[in-house]
Amino acid sequence: DADVTQTPRNRITKTGKRIMLECSQTKGHDRMYWYRQDPGLGLRLIYYSFDVKDINKGEISDGYSVSRQAQAKFSLSLESAIPNQTALYFCATSAGLRASTDTQYFGPGTRLTVL
Amino acid sequence: KQEVTQIPAALSVPEGENLVLNCSFTDSAIYNLQWFRQDPGKGLTSLLLIQSSQREQTSGRLNASLDKSSGRSTLYIAASQPGDSATYLCAVESYQLTFGKGTKLSVIP
Repeated sequence: DADVTQTPRNRITKTGKRIMLECSQTKGHDRMYWYRQDPGLGLRLIYYSFDVKDINKGEISDGYSVSRQAQAKFSLSLESAIPNQTALYFCATSAGLRASTDTQYFGPGTRLTVL
Repeated sequence: KQEVTQIPAALSVPEGENLVLNCSFTDSAIYNLQWFRQDPGKGLTSLLLIQSSQREQTSGRLNASLDKSSGRSTLYIAASQPGDSATYLCAVESYQLTFGKGTKLSVIP
């Protein structure tokens, strides 16, 4: 089984709908992240969480919210989806034990299309 | 604000060639530099991590170098194979992980 899972893998929705993307991990990591990837723009950080009680905004948090339900679960919500939120969304985790060696482990991604 | 640039954006080589992918970054205050591989429609897989105090790391046919003072890293792939075809992403860790836009590599049999 994959260490970092995302559901759903694909989603098509309409403008104005509320959408939740879910991420679960079995790596036992404290740190979790949400990114979006757009052609020509690379990966950009939306939100990150260093533990259950710690949530931080990333580079592009407007229009998104998150919930860290447990160490293993981190959800991303789009309260009212708009077409420019069409993108590939990735969840990632890291141990966070030492900054110089902290690598991130990525889920398979969720392809979201907002019509 | 940290910016990461990767050149070239795309590269096509015949099987068996050695190749170099380039990455540059604007702020040398980093904890580490990482190279990832991304296959179409899939997530990222970590290939190599170079700590800020290190000059290079090797894994099999891959060798990554880091020159922090000049803000540059290279990923060297020896004896390329069709299975190496993917997009390679460079990322630097400062207060967060900042990614380049990637180099799309195609290895032609």
